[in-house]
Amino acid sequence: GQSLEQPSEVTAVEGAIVQINCTYQTSGFYGLSWYQQHDGGAPTFLSYNALDGLEETGRFSSFLSRSDSYGYLLLQELQMKDSASYFCAVRGAGGGNKLTFGTGTQLKVEL
Amino acid sequence: EPEVTQTPSHQVTQMGQEVILRCVPISNHLYFYWYRQILGQKVEFLVSFYNNEISEKSEIFDDQFSVERPDGSNFTLKIRSTKLEDSAMYFCASSQQGAYNEQFFGPGTRLTVL
Repeated sequence: GQSLEQPSEVTAVEGAIVQINCTYQTSGFYGLSWYQQHDGGAPTFLSYNALDGLEETGRFSSFLSRSDSYGYLLLQELQMKDSASYFCAVRGAGGGNKLTFGTGTQLKVEL
Repeated sequence: EPEVTQTPSHQVTQMGQEVILRCVPISNHLYFYWYRQILGQKVEFLVSFYNNEISEKSEIFDDQFSVERPDGSNFTLKIRSTKLEDSAMYFCASSQQGAYNEQFFGPGTRLTVL
């Protein structure tokens, strides 16, 4: 089976940097992805790590350590519109590209 | 920008009734998925579909569920006899060959079973 744990809630101020952690246990691993979901909306792909290290995409970066079964999403220069839920997700080895999502972290950006 | 579309946006049904949720994946994508999200919970995988057959399904996807690609554009999820616990947001998603981690999600259908 697969399980992914994230903090339930993180609060930060506009302009700050925030890190959202994800630890996972998985029987097969084909990369760690991050998705953003605004209230009532569709999950939107942000980033993906197949190998260890940091991937940078604009204000968002994602890090993976496969030996530690750990990754994080780093959001810089926070904006109010970044207030949303963030999910890490692992693609498993079942052959069907199944994504197993984490418990989700609700990010609140305050003035 | 191409996007996944879903209809209806909201479906209300009585317990025991059949529902069909419809999706139009992005046109050049070959892999299609259904996920669901119970209010306040995480997104859960239901089924994936490739080359006109199911490639993987979860334990949630029991005999009450079926998927179909009836033509070149639509992808449907049928629930034969709905239960109260089927109430959730159902998301369709699609992905390109080789980019399996970047799945594009539709806006969802909120299913309410009374």
